[in-house]
Amino acid sequence: SAVISQKPSRDICQRGTSLTIQCQVDSQVTMMFWYRQQPGQSLTLIATANQGSEATYESGFVIDKFPISRPNLTFSTLTVSNMSPEDSSIYLCSVEEGEEGYTFGSGTRLTVV
Amino acid sequence: TQLLEQSPQFLSIQEGENLTVYCNSSSVFSSLQWYRQEPGEGPVLLVTVVTGGEVKKLKRLTFQFGDARKDSSLHITAAQTGDTGLYLCAGAEDNFNKFYFGSGTKLNVKP
Repeated sequence: SAVISQKPSRDICQRGTSLTIQCQVDSQVTMMFWYRQQPGQSLTLIATANQGSEATYESGFVIDKFPISRPNLTFSTLTVSNMSPEDSSIYLCSVEEGEEGYTFGSGTRLTVV
Repeated sequence: TQLLEQSPQFLSIQEGENLTVYCNSSSVFSSLQWYRQEPGEGPVLLVTVVTGGEVKKLKRLTFQFGDARKDSSLHITAAQTGDTGLYLCAGAEDNFNKFYFGSGTKLNVKP
């Protein structure tokens, strides 16, 4: 399975600022996914990131708020822009590996104050 | 809108007991996966089921995919404290590329 390094692991940010989360994969993957998860709750898909094209966003998520970069097949970033306390959550990146399912990063716990 | 509903939402049992977690949807899925997540970690895949009526066993865990591919269950026999965690089902409607996660079941197994 792929190994994903996600950073930062946690951060406390002031409202109105932005935070960029990075995910590095140890192998080339076509699609990367970004999820949001409230502690102890399920995962909500934010967007799908393909290399060389714009990310595809799920309903309720927009590019201006969550810009995503995918410069190559092993790396992606998610930015949480103009943060408010409602953005406090755990953000996870993942890659899909067919029948092996999704492999996830360890997550970024974001607190906005 | 949650495509997949899990029940129960919370479950607290004694070590040695059996339990079943359900994952239901009105949608048909081409495949369905079960994950377990521990605090501070990402979810880890337990199993993938793709055929209606399929049953898979993983040691003390038994997974079943409904005949109509709209629902699934996870049964744990003789639960252990190490089974504690958040259990998530995830379904793909058309292919393996995009999965949507269920509402989650938080399991606590007490010694």
